[in-house]
Amino acid sequence: SYDLTQPLSVSVALGQTARITCRGTNIGNKNVHWYQRKPGQAPVMVISRDTNRPSGIPERFSGSNSGNTATLTLSGAQAGDEADYYCQVYDSNTVVFGGGTKLTVL
Amino acid sequence: QVQLVESGGGVVQPGRSLRLSCAASGFTFRSYGIHWVRQAPGKGLEWVATIWYDGSNKYYADSVKGRFTVSRDNSKNTIYLHMNNLRAEDTAVYYCARPQGLRIYYYALDVWGQGTTVTVSS
Repeated sequence: SYDLTQPLSVSVALGQTARITCRGTNIGNKNVHWYQRKPGQAPVMVISRDTNRPSGIPERFSGSNSGNTATLTLSGAQAGDEADYYCQVYDSNTVVFGGGTKLTVL
Repeated sequence: QVQLVESGGGVVQPGRSLRLSCAASGFTFRSYGIHWVRQAPGKGLEWVATIWYDGSNKYYADSVKGRFTVSRDNSKNTIYLHMNNLRAEDTAVYYCARPQGLRIYYYALDVWGQGTTVTVSS
């Protein structure tokens, strides 16, 4: 089975840049999707297929993917960005999620 | 309005069964595959099962294989998750989710239901 590894937690000062990594073997060859989940709410897609930001998602969210690491970048983090973030890929007819990263905005 | 609405959750004893439903509206339901995803208390997102647009293919996580069955009724715009022999570790919020496009293993999941809670406890 394919495994995705994320840091358990990332902290960022208000207005600074946060980077959340997602590591997997040759993940650069896969399409990586990112989701934000706030307590009591359903997940929300924030980045699709490595770099695509859907309408309604702020421009401060961006993504990249190369080699063995995909990265979600939040430029100018705001208090409202505090949430759990999950990366996701498809592999052999399965949906694979990373373990999730709790983003704290200080 | 594109929407998925789950129902059927509740409290059930270990070893019993439960059927979850996922009702779709606002899009051409019969053209889309659907995934079930769950989140146990204090844990991350876990994929549970997938059903193709026409029900011809179904896939399951190892943790539920042989106990859970996914099905769909395209005439009712509804997906079902039949859960048998439930265990305490099946306690979770269960979501159904739709990919952005028709290629079920390509697009991100852009439509999620609000979730339904299953608690397995004696």
